[in-house]
Amino acid sequence: RKEVEQDPGPFNVPEGATVAFNCTYSNSASQSFFWYRQDCRKEPKLLMSVYSSGNEDGRFTAQLNRASQYISLLIRDSKLSDSATYLCVVNPSDLIFGKGTKLSVKP
Amino acid sequence: EPEVTQTPSHQVTQMGQEVILRCVPISNHLYFYWYRQILGQKVEFLVSFYNNEISEKSEIFDDQFSVERPDGSNFTLKIRSTKLEDSAMYFCASGVEIQETQYFGPGTRLLVL
Repeated sequence: RKEVEQDPGPFNVPEGATVAFNCTYSNSASQSFFWYRQDCRKEPKLLMSVYSSGNEDGRFTAQLNRASQYISLLIRDSKLSDSATYLCVVNPSDLIFGKGTKLSVKP
Repeated sequence: EPEVTQTPSHQVTQMGQEVILRCVPISNHLYFYWYRQILGQKVEFLVSFYNNEISEKSEIFDDQFSVERPDGSNFTLKIRSTKLEDSAMYFCASGVEIQETQYFGPGTRLLVL
């Protein structure tokens, strides 16, 4: 089965830092791309969809490079509440999840 | 805001027993899914369901698993004869369109002893 690969992490950063996560996917037929966040022992929750032109939602910016099959997420001015595992998710038909990158934001 | 709900939140069962996990998807959604996450591992796709039939299933979804939408609201996952390795968090998800955003329920934590 085609896979999604992410930075292994964990990322330990101070409040206010900028942090970037990377992800590559192997199924070139993938049509939809997402970043989900997952808190410990909770369900994945959609953070943002990722569009070819790149998109921004407040402190979060997502980029997609179809040619390189690469997705990124940038978090600016990180908050304590950003601490979670960030899941790169690709959708050729059903969702294929990466293993996730754990982020810990420290005061 | 509408949510996907799942019951029970926790289920403990003996190996070989049947379990049924229940989900109520968001009401106007047409696509339904089950995923599982073994502790410490990634979320894995099990099955998708549309128009009252299975659309796609993974290699995990063997003959021990079945899904059903018995009425207009519930979507169930049945495991006929549970094994120790079935212990995991099971998430139900629903979506309006294929390849669009899927919304996840809070999960059922299944422990097989």
